[in-house]
Amino acid sequence: DTEVTQTPKHLVMGMTNKKSLKCEQHMGHRAMYWYKQKAKKPPELMFVYSYEKLSINESVPSRFSPECPNSSLLNLHLHALQPEDSALYLCASSQVRGPGRIADRPGELFFGEGSRLTVL
Amino acid sequence: GQQVMQIPQYQHVQEGEDFTTYCNSSTTLSNIQWYKQRPGGHPVFLIQLVKSGEVKKQKRLTFQFGEAKKNSSLHITATQTTDVGTYFCAGLKGDSSYKLIFGSGTRLLVRP
Repeated sequence: DTEVTQTPKHLVMGMTNKKSLKCEQHMGHRAMYWYKQKAKKPPELMFVYSYEKLSINESVPSRFSPECPNSSLLNLHLHALQPEDSALYLCASSQVRGPGRIADRPGELFFGEGSRLTVL
Repeated sequence: GQQVMQIPQYQHVQEGEDFTTYCNSSTTLSNIQWYKQRPGGHPVFLIQLVKSGEVKKQKRLTFQFGEAKKNSSLHITATQTTDVGTYFCAGLKGDSSYKLIFGSGTRLLVRP
């Protein structure tokens, strides 16, 4: 069982739809991540939130919009997606050792089971 | 940009045989993590290596971090069918960053 919960597990949407993926963790982790994974490929980093602030955006198209309402929740809002956006979307969280250049490193990532998205 | 490559891409072994996957980075890594993803599952953390030349063991799994901190390996002794899955290394760059870059992965299949 994973301590990172993602909903929904499966989502089918049309290119004109607006939907959201949700992620929740109660481990007190202050870093949360969205990764995208296509079949037989490694996870690709999309966004990282650190202390509820967006710290990394890996040049993700604006049709993907992340949101971190509080330290336990992470959302990914989807709008006007393309069929090539169909993939497994993985949320993860990790501890950080605290602010500062040397100490500010993530620990192990705890992944959710993912939301499998199909765009028609 | 930073790339993390793994070889081999696939490995099909007979149960009981050993297995090794190698991870190579184009840049120096501050640390390296290893994950296992079962078919249809999500990545699960196995271990983190931080020090140059570090070797860690978990039962039948041995992990090594290279002296130059640009490569790593995972060796499984006497594979079992439960070892089936894709093994990813993931590297963190030397600067302060949450950018954990996953390697291309090695898919292990074990014949019973």
